[in-house]
Order: sequence, then C-alpha cells, then structure tokens
Amino acid sequence: ETGVTQSPTHLIKTRGQQVTLRCSSQSGHNTVSWYQQALGQGPQFIFQYYREEENGRGNFPPRFSGLQFPNYSSELNVNALELDDSALYLCASSLLQQKNYGYTFGSGTRLTVV
Amino acid sequence: AQSVTQPDIHITVSEGASLELRCNYSYGATPYLFWYVQSPGQGLQLLLKYFSGDTLVQGIKGFEAEFKRSQSSFNLRKPSVHWSDAAEYFCAVGLKTSYDKVIFGPGTSLSVIP
Repeated sequence: ETGVTQSPTHLIKTRGQQVTLRCSSQSGHNTVSWYQQALGQGPQFIFQYYREEENGRGNFPPRFSGLQFPNYSSELNVNALELDDSALYLCASSLLQQKNYGYTFGSGTRLTVV
Repeated sequence: AQSVTQPDIHITVSEGASLELRCNYSYGATPYLFWYVQSPGQGLQLLLKYFSGDTLVQGIKGFEAEFKRSQSSFNLRKPSVHWSDAAEYFCAVGLKTSYDKVIFGPGTSLSVIP
C-alpha cells in the first residue's frame, strides 16, 4: 500500500502571498486531516476533510482553506501569508468509519514566509 | 478545554538505560491516547495507542505505555534505549467527536548518549 505523500517538501513565500500545499492520501483511506507544526511545538489541528467536505476545524482563521478531491487527495490553501505561518504542515490520512484514528502522516511541507 | 502536557521539554539518557516520558491530559472522559515519534525532518509515526481494556499497552520498537485514570497520565517507557531512539516524542489525545480530531502535546526531545 502507498503511504501519504506531500508536495512540495520545501517552500519559500513572501508575506501577503498565497500558497497551496498538496497531499495524496494512503490507498484505502477516505479522510485527510491537516496540521500545522511550528518550530519546537506539537502539531496543531487545522481541519479535516471527509467526502470532499470540511468535517471539523481547529482554531485557524478563514484564510486557511482546503479541498478534497474524489480520489481523496487534498489541498491546503493559505491566503495573505503572515510571518507566523512559517511552519511544517503535516497531512494525515485515515479511514473515518473505522474510528480507530489510524492516522498515517506524510513527511510534511516546510513553509517559510519571509 | 482538552489539553495534553508533557512536563519534560528535553531528556538525555545513556544508551542502554531505561526511559520514561511523562504525559498528562485533561479531558472530560477517558480519551483515546497515543504516542507518536518524529525524527528530524520527518512526519509522525505511531508508536502505540490506547482505546480501552488493558491499561498497559505494547507498541513498536520495544515501547510500552501505561494508562492511569486516577492520575490522568499515559507515560511512555522503554527498558533499554538505543541510539536510534533519539527523536521528538509526542503524546496525543483523540477526542470522541464525530470526526477524528487529535490534540498533540508540546513534545519531549530525547537525546541518547553513547
């Protein structure tokens, strides 16, 4: 089975720009969750997508948005980038119906905002 | 509000010594509990999880954790540490909501001395 792949691995953007991060879920998984991990901190839940709809959201502003596609892959979009958005963005896929939190994480996208 | 605390920011142990990483949580009910490990520049790998039943849980790489309801704790242990265990360790709580939301602690960084 294939794991979770994220692209790109590294990205540098300027404050005020917009960015799109991509995630391919593990084969057989139908749910994608996105996390933001600032340097030296634990991952923070951004939101989760299931059946192409947002299925839960953490304490992040609306400029963080996402999409899920019919093949269960997902995108995270961040508008009007701020310096504090610099972080490792992690994608995790799972099979929601199992309710066993079988998260499989990707290796992340390192975003630097300058 | 739900939260996870890991009192030790950084721990250094000698190779072959035993290890215990502490984790405390705050949640209204018995949550799902996890330990993840993150190597530098990598995503998160699940070490073990507790849902119910036996409070001593065995995981991969020789790790185990014990759930103590009275102390709201879920400490991770390993009898003999290997140099390859040096990494960041995260305790996490899975909330029993309609979606798979996992809250992570701030992490404990483990260094291993040869």
